[in-house]
Amino acid sequence: GAGVSQSPSNKVTEKGKDVELRCDPISGHTALYWYRQSLGQGLEFLIYFQGNSAPDKSGLPSDRFSAERTGGSVSTLTIQRTQQEDSAVYLCASSQRPAYGLTDTQYFGPGTRLTVL
Amino acid sequence: AQKVTQAQTEISVVEKEDVTLDCVYETRDTTYYLFWYKQPPSGELVFLIRRNSFDEQNEISGRYSWNFQKSTSSFNFTITASQVVDSAVYFCALSEMDSSYKLIFGSGTRLLVRP
Repeated sequence: GAGVSQSPSNKVTEKGKDVELRCDPISGHTALYWYRQSLGQGLEFLIYFQGNSAPDKSGLPSDRFSAERTGGSVSTLTIQRTQQEDSAVYLCASSQRPAYGLTDTQYFGPGTRLTVL
Repeated sequence: AQKVTQAQTEISVVEKEDVTLDCVYETRDTTYYLFWYKQPPSGELVFLIRRNSFDEQNEISGRYSWNFQKSTSSFNFTITASQVVDSAVYFCALSEMDSSYKLIFGSGTRLLVRP
């Protein structure tokens, strides 16, 4: 079946511009996660969705970052007024959440490489 | 606080050698999961294995094996008879029931297998 897809694969933008990154999870996966991978910080958690709700936004680095998920499927991560330190690869992952106290494996998309000039 | 340590930044071996990648974790949760992911040069994170905190049984999958020891908070990964295609960055990760099951990653170990 189809895996997690992300678009665009690459995005170059100028400092101060807004960007939107999209994630299409695996069909039927109720849990969706955004992570960021940068040279200095490694792999960091940003936000977690269960259905359309985001019970854990603790990893968002500033209020310039926001995300939403609609229809329990597609998610969009928005970065406003981009800064050079936002340059990184943004990764999306999805998993099933069968029952309380259990989890399933997170499967990752190919990522979006964001470069802020 | 939760933490994953991969002390080996980079390992270089010759093809057919065995190699072990170390992973040490810290958690206060009693229900947690441990993972290994592979990131080849193409960049995509590829899932390798998941273990839960209640199952310390070691696992073998082909040339790969994993040794989970709660007594030392370690989850080490061994590749037997390494191949050039094993060259990648390998990440160990922890997820906890009390933390939305988000993945907490180690810093990764870059493995280079030379022909």
